[in-house]
Amino acid sequence: AQKITQTQPGMFVQEKEAVTLDCTYDTSDPSYGLFWYKQPSSGEMIFLIYQGSYDQQNATEGRYSLNFQKARKSANLVISASQLGDSAMYFCAMRDQGAQKLVFGQGTRLTINP
Amino acid sequence: GAVVSQHPSRVICKSGTSVKIECRSLDFQATTMFWYRQFPKQSLMLMATSNEGSKATYEQGVEKDKFLINHASLTLSTLTVTSAHPEDSSFYICSARGIKQGLAGDEQYFGPGTRLTVT
Repeated sequence: AQKITQTQPGMFVQEKEAVTLDCTYDTSDPSYGLFWYKQPSSGEMIFLIYQGSYDQQNATEGRYSLNFQKARKSANLVISASQLGDSAMYFCAMRDQGAQKLVFGQGTRLTINP
Repeated sequence: GAVVSQHPSRVICKSGTSVKIECRSLDFQATTMFWYRQFPKQSLMLMATSNEGSKATYEQGVEKDKFLINHASLTLSTLTVTSAHPEDSSFYICSARGIKQGLAGDEQYFGPGTRLTVT
């Protein structure tokens, strides 16, 4: 069965600093996808970045990058040059190849301080 | 990205009444739709998965007779909370998955959510 673990309930970071949000996963399927979503206080789920299990390079999308360490089963999200608007809940999620459902981690509340 | 809408965004109803929430994919055909609920400060919990024209598949512990899901077309799914009680108060989020021209792969897009309060 799939399992996603986010061990940081909350993170506090100074504006303009980089921040790493941890995510570990477990699955028996060799083919899977990993996702990160941002959920601001409004509640909408905003897709940030995707990493496929067979992708050779770490995914990057603007200030977001995914530090994918397959052997360790970790998929940490790195946000560079943090901004006040980055304050939100962040969820890591995964989906096995061929599976329909997306399984979410517990989430990390990120607060950016001015 | 693709656009998924939900209606209403907020609803307050009395205990014992039923509430219907609509989820629409506006610019793509959603072959699969998902319904999640989220309690305050918690993660999203999948309630059910529905494929167009088929009965929904409910997750363990979710009462299918209480949470009625209909996915009658490739752009619309509805969740009806029947005989709502205060413990059903939650944030309900739908998500749609399908193929959208111009985008790589079949991604999953989320609606803005519906906050249900049962008094």
